[in-house]
Amino acid sequence: GAVVSQHPSRVICKSGTSVKIECRSLDFQATTMFWYRQFPKQSLMLMATSNEGSKATYEQGVEKDKFLINHASLTLSTLTVTSAHPEDSSFYICSARGGLASYNEQFFGPGTRLTVL
Amino acid sequence: AQSVTQLGSHVSVSEGALVLLRCNYSSSVPPYLFWYVQYPNQGLQLLLKYTSAATLVKGINGFEAEFKKSETSFHLTKPSAHMSDAAEYFCAVSEITGGGNKLTFGTGTQLKVEL
Repeated sequence: GAVVSQHPSRVICKSGTSVKIECRSLDFQATTMFWYRQFPKQSLMLMATSNEGSKATYEQGVEKDKFLINHASLTLSTLTVTSAHPEDSSFYICSARGGLASYNEQFFGPGTRLTVL
Repeated sequence: AQSVTQLGSHVSVSEGALVLLRCNYSSSVPPYLFWYVQYPNQGLQLLLKYTSAATLVKGINGFEAEFKKSETSFHLTKPSAHMSDAAEYFCAVSEITGGGNKLTFGTGTQLKVEL
């Protein structure tokens, strides 16, 4: 299957700083990328959907000014957690899909563990 | 609106025993259904998916699932559990129309395989 990478895999930062997470589709063009957040022993919660070249669509309750998403190319999307606080500590997972159809598989990255001190 | 219910947050089976992980969905339109597996500190890997073709879907690692519209279910099974099957399993639904083609996940089932 297609490969999606995330960088970094783990990051620790101080409260108030910003952190950028990259999501790359390595061997296919991702027209749509998704960002999820997963708390320990919980399910994935969709944060936002981004289509290449357009603004991301955020889920209800997700602050778009805090979680900045950029999908500048068909192989790269970034999530920037601005002014991070301890409650932002979580496992962030991205996924990428090559087409618009619902049945097109989303390929998931390995996740990024964010710890805010 | 679409939703997924996974009954049993933890399932424990003996090695070699049948694995049955339950998933019920709610969707206003015909759904696409997926099962994913997640190992600790890793992303999700697709096990199988239902896309309105055959109702019995075979996936990787010996898993299969049957779509039952009358029961709104998509339970995951494997005839014989292996130690390597121990992981978190997520059922997900995606509607054919609307919902922005998003996946909605269930709360997950942690599978434990004992000797």
